[in-house]
Amino acid sequence: KQEVTQIPAALSVPEGENLVLNCSFTDSAIYNLQWFRQDPGKGLTSLLLIQSSQREQTSGRLNASLDKSSGRSTLYIAASQPGDSATYLCAVTPGNQFYFGTGTSLTVIP
Amino acid sequence: GAVVSQHPSWVICKSGTSVKIECRSLDFQATTMFWYRQFPKQSLMLMATSNEGSKATYEQGVEKDKFLINHASLTLSTLTVTSAHPEDSSFYICSASDSGRAAETQYFGPGTRLLVL
Repeated sequence: KQEVTQIPAALSVPEGENLVLNCSFTDSAIYNLQWFRQDPGKGLTSLLLIQSSQREQTSGRLNASLDKSSGRSTLYIAASQPGDSATYLCAVTPGNQFYFGTGTSLTVIP
Repeated sequence: GAVVSQHPSWVICKSGTSVKIECRSLDFQATTMFWYRQFPKQSLMLMATSNEGSKATYEQGVEKDKFLINHASLTLSTLTVTSAHPEDSSFYICSASDSGRAAETQYFGPGTRLLVL
């Protein structure tokens, strides 16, 4: 069964700092990987989707990479802002359902 | 963009009662809808997958008689928690896809927080 792990579980950084969130998965047979943002008590917002054939995706200050062979993905956030404070979830899918990680809770201190 | 709504956004009920949660795709037809459950400080766990007009497929360990799912139209799926107990208290999130594969984009609802007293 696919297992998705995210490290660290929580992260606190000062505003303006660049940061990296990590995601690892046990089964490399995935169709795609997505990074989501979840604000407290809210649903999910999709940030980036990487197809299994891709190595990275970029959107604004966010850059996500995928190394399928090693079962790893990173989400890079440049010049962090207080509004980036949220829980970030990665999820992989073999094509029929999502497997979510436990998330990284990010706090950006003004 | 595609919008998925859930109603209610939160509900408090007494133990033993049944609670119905609605998930609607507002501007697209959702051939497939997914129901997730999220306990505090844990990740989302898929409960079931439903396709319009057919029976839902439940994940292992999810009681189909307790969590009734109906996907009667292309824009509405409902999850009914029957005879709810305190351990059913959780955050329930639905997602919808306009294709039959989760590999395509899923649009998530805002979630429903259930508290069973």
